[in-house]
Amino acid sequence: KNEVEQSPQNLTAQEGEFITINCSYSVGISALHWLQQHPGGGIVSLFMLSSGKKKHGRLIATINIQEKHSSLHITASHPRDSAVYICAVRPLDSNYQLIWGAGTKLIIKP
Amino acid sequence: KAGVTQTPRYLIKTRGQQVTLSCSPISGHRSVSWYQQTPGQGLQFLFEYFSETQRNKGNFPGRFSGRQFSNSRSEMNVSTLELGDSALYLCASSSTGLGVNTEAFFGQGTRLTVV
Repeated sequence: KNEVEQSPQNLTAQEGEFITINCSYSVGISALHWLQQHPGGGIVSLFMLSSGKKKHGRLIATINIQEKHSSLHITASHPRDSAVYICAVRPLDSNYQLIWGAGTKLIIKP
Repeated sequence: KAGVTQTPRYLIKTRGQQVTLSCSPISGHRSVSWYQQTPGQGLQFLFEYFSETQRNKGNFPGRFSGRQFSNSRSEMNVSTLELGDSALYLCASSSTGLGVNTEAFFGQGTRLTVV
């Protein structure tokens, strides 16, 4: 079993829909990252969380440390949101590396 | 502030050759981490350098090595290339690489194809 599990693996939605991507992890962590990867490879860091909730524009990220679960929400989704969204955790026993989820491929249709 | 710069963006090599990839972190950042991304394995940690010292290493064979210079630029070297080394290699820079509040910034990656 992977230490970081994301669901769904693939998600196709219509423009304007509310999107939720989930991330569950099995190790103790000091932080969780949500990242976005567009075709071509570049990765952009969206959020870094250690508790609670963060919001940036139409993106919201929440984390429940007790349940070892985080969600990334996109409100009023747009085709330009189409990308792979990756969850990565920084384990407590290592501040130097991240353990990565497999990613969720999101396609927003106009 | 310039972002993380990786060069080259694309590279084609033949089996048995060696390759060197470069990563220039954000100015002032002293930590550089390297990751390999393949379709089958996802993103995997290679190693992390801080102030010219390798602080942590992932589970990759010794053919994968790296170094960091005094200006924090880092290079990654892969010797005796194998077909399975074909991947996107990403580097990330951060100010310290430590602590909850340290954010990492990623480069565009170098796509290596081994034929």
